[in-house]
Amino acid sequence: NAGVTQTPKFQVLKTGQSMTLQCAQDMNHEYMSWYRQDPGMGLRLIHYSVGAGITDQGEVPNGYNVSRSTTEDFPLRLLSAAPSQTSVYFCASSYSRISTDTQYFGPGTRLTVL
Amino acid sequence: AQSVTQPDIHITVSEGASLELRCNYSYGATPYLFWYVQSPGQGLQLLLKYFSGDTLVQGIKGFEAEFKRSQSSFNLRKPSVHWSDAAEYFCAVGTPGNTGGFKTIFGAGTRLFVKA
Repeated sequence: NAGVTQTPKFQVLKTGQSMTLQCAQDMNHEYMSWYRQDPGMGLRLIHYSVGAGITDQGEVPNGYNVSRSTTEDFPLRLLSAAPSQTSVYFCASSYSRISTDTQYFGPGTRLTVL
Repeated sequence: AQSVTQPDIHITVSEGASLELRCNYSYGATPYLFWYVQSPGQGLQLLLKYFSGDTLVQGIKGFEAEFKRSQSSFNLRKPSVHWSDAAEYFCAVGTPGNTGGFKTIFGAGTRLFVKA
């Protein structure tokens, strides 16, 4: 198993550009989530999904869209990038939607918005 | 609102010394608590978790944590630190979401430095 994979590893955008961060898992996990990590703030939940076709907002959803058409993939879309979205983005998955289940994290995407 | 506080931004310990990282949470119901570790340039890895039962939980890499409801704390400990333990450590609490899933609230993290 490759686990949780994220592409790209690094990305530089200009303000106003759009892009999609890709996340995939090959473990048949039900639950997937996106976090952003900023210095001194830990990880903050952006969006999560408990299965194909079901998504919900986390702590900081504004400026981001998600969809989940398959179990494996959970892309994160930035519609109009802003400098405040400069961050490291992590995708995670867990086998079930139960709070006690272990989350497995991808290696992250470092995004810079100029 | 739920929150997690890690009072120490960074801690330095000598190799072989004991370690305790502090974590306090704010949550009305029985919390689901986690400790994760992040090595430089890597994603997070789960060290241990607590959701019920024995308040002293054992994790990987020789770590343990104790849940104290009266103090709203979940401190992480290790009796003897190795140089490879240098990393950033995050405490987190799991809370129910709206669609039957859960949301994880993370603390700001504590960076551990290990000196020879």
